[in-house]
Amino acid sequence: AQSVTQLGSHVSVSEGALVLLRCNYSSSVPPYLFWYVQYPNQGLQLLLKYTTGATLVKGINGFEAEFKKSETSFHLTKPSAHMSDAAEYFCAVQSGSSNTGKLIFGQGTTLQVKP
Amino acid sequence: EAGVAQSPRYKIIEKRQSVAFWCNPISGHATLYWYQQILGQGPKLLIQFQNNGVVDDSQLPKDRFSAERLKGVDSTLKIQPAKLEDSAVYLCASSFLPGQQEKTQYFGPGTRLLVL
Repeated sequence: AQSVTQLGSHVSVSEGALVLLRCNYSSSVPPYLFWYVQYPNQGLQLLLKYTTGATLVKGINGFEAEFKKSETSFHLTKPSAHMSDAAEYFCAVQSGSSNTGKLIFGQGTTLQVKP
Repeated sequence: EAGVAQSPRYKIIEKRQSVAFWCNPISGHATLYWYQQILGQGPKLLIQFQNNGVVDDSQLPKDRFSAERLKGVDSTLKIQPAKLEDSAVYLCASSFLPGQQEKTQYFGPGTRLLVL
């Protein structure tokens, strides 16, 4: 069975500081990994994804994430936080050997950006 | 390109009433998903359609929830009768590449349901 754990339900950073949101996954097959962002009263927007190939993936709004198989991690980073980054962030895993495409989500991390 | 459309955006009902949500996926997307997102949690898959057939409904409470996608395009999710614990955001998503393993899902804005 697959699962996702996001460490820290709430992260607070100052504007301009490094953003680090942690995600660890469990999967018995090669996973596909995703980060989504959710702004208040909106749906989920894809930030970035890892499928195969380069383990460092770049996404929208200056975010990037690195797939580390040995650590079963897919942490999300951004060098300099902006006020507009305040939102809920979800890490998700999709089985690389399934045809269903089902996403298993973590519980989410709320990012607060202080001026 | 238009995104995933959902309606209504908000709904307030009393327990034991029925409610229906509508979703229109991105044009050409063969796969459609309904997720339930309870406050403070990540979304959980309720049902997945491939064209008009059900692929996965293992997490759908079938005694009260039903869904259909009759023509393989738009879909309706129904709850009857609603319970207090059904208060959540119902998200619809779609993906395009049924023949490939990786299926990026694109989400609609969601329907926020409050059951009183």
